[in-house]
Amino acid sequence: GAGVSQSPSNKVTEKGKDVELRCDPISGHTALYWYRQSLGQGLEFLIYFQGNSAPDKSGLPSDRFSAERTGGSVSTLTIQRTQQEDSAVYLCASSPPGTTTGELFFGEGSRLTVL
Amino acid sequence: AQTVTQSQPEMSVQEAETVTLSCTYDTSENNYYLFWYKQPPSRQMILVIRQEAYKQQNATENRFSVNFQKAAKSFSLKISDSQLGDTAMYFCAFMKPWNSGGSNYKLTFGKGTLLTVNP
Repeated sequence: GAGVSQSPSNKVTEKGKDVELRCDPISGHTALYWYRQSLGQGLEFLIYFQGNSAPDKSGLPSDRFSAERTGGSVSTLTIQRTQQEDSAVYLCASSPPGTTTGELFFGEGSRLTVL
Repeated sequence: AQTVTQSQPEMSVQEAETVTLSCTYDTSENNYYLFWYKQPPSRQMILVIRQEAYKQQNATENRFSVNFQKAAKSFSLKISDSQLGDTAMYFCAFMKPWNSGGSNYKLTFGKGTLLTVNP
């Protein structure tokens, strides 16, 4: 597609349930990022995939959070046993290979609400 | 670790006027990139302007320009002739360059400034 696509756009779940958020990056982009945006907290880095390299998971807040990227394209962020503090907008971004400009292309995000 | 601080949670400006958004950062790196991203109500982040630290000349993109003060670690955004469509959250961000090693390409964001342009 023309841009980064994320689904679902909005997700409401009950505390304790698992959720999966999907990101489809721009075709040909090798780098993929997940960020979390909580109210009044800016954007918090979660995880970064670059080609076939091991992902940088340093931002994942707990072991309830995991992400995978299949075939170097689509990525899924999974949150297990959701808690109310997980409520946030989860943003995905991608960038093309070999770039030195640092520009990231963002999707519109998935808004997660944990009741 | 790098930190980015935006000291103005909210600002407002009248249409057609000029407004400046502040950003300071802390790093031990000598070479890096700085960005301003805009997030309208649609939630999609859009790059507004980018500055390479090794360039002394301030970046300009149409009505948007920056005042980059490397020694002071300051990177403010000036919006001239403000338009209603400029209403959005604005985030300042920092990135180490590709060849610096470590966590390359990880953007560190400030907490944002909500700008409202009034008619």
